[in-house]
Amino acid sequence: GEDVEQSLFLSVREGDSSVINCTYTDSSSTYLYWYKQEPGAGLQLLTYIFSNMDMKQDQRLTVLLNKKDKHLSLRIADTQTGDSAIYFCAESITSNTGKLIFGQGTTLQVKP
Amino acid sequence: DAGITQSPRYKITETGRQVTLMCHQTWSHSYMFWYRQDLGHGLRLIYYSAAADITDKGEVPDGYVVSRSKTENFPLTLESATRSQTSVYFCASSTTGDRETQYFGPGTRLLVL
Repeated sequence: GEDVEQSLFLSVREGDSSVINCTYTDSSSTYLYWYKQEPGAGLQLLTYIFSNMDMKQDQRLTVLLNKKDKHLSLRIADTQTGDSAIYFCAESITSNTGKLIFGQGTTLQVKP
Repeated sequence: DAGITQSPRYKITETGRQVTLMCHQTWSHSYMFWYRQDLGHGLRLIYYSAAADITDKGEVPDGYVVSRSKTENFPLTLESATRSQTSVYFCASSTTGDRETQYFGPGTRLLVL
């Protein structure tokens, strides 16, 4: 079945790079997403990558996709205290239904 | 104001009571979704809807009922609330299914005593 796994916690210092990792099991995934959830709020889409891409960069965010290992990562350059949040990896598993399978979420703590 | 809203934001109820969580979006998005968020499980899909009058089960539908008589509304009903349904519930919408961003509401925090 479909499954998405993430490490639960990451702590970095302000200004360092953060790398949040995710593994998934369904090789038919079409899109893979990164969402951010700030305390008390809903989820906000950060970025996504199509399954035929290896990398996508968007300002401070870099997404790397290793299809062979079914591994997805999100790198945040120059991490700021405002980046402290829970980050969710999600995969879209079936075309045209919009169903997403989410990981458990990684809590990113940024220390000043 | 445009966007996706949920009501109530907080709800305390008792075991066995019926509870309805409301979700309203102003974008005329075709797809709408209900998720629950629990510690250690991330978000799990309860039900989704591809259009008005079309609904389908997600990963954890037991104990929940949905309806979609109008495109903009997608209420979620707990017919007889149980303690295991204590959770944070998120509604989301998107224009189509795959490859489109899902926009999330702010969530409803439900406590079942």
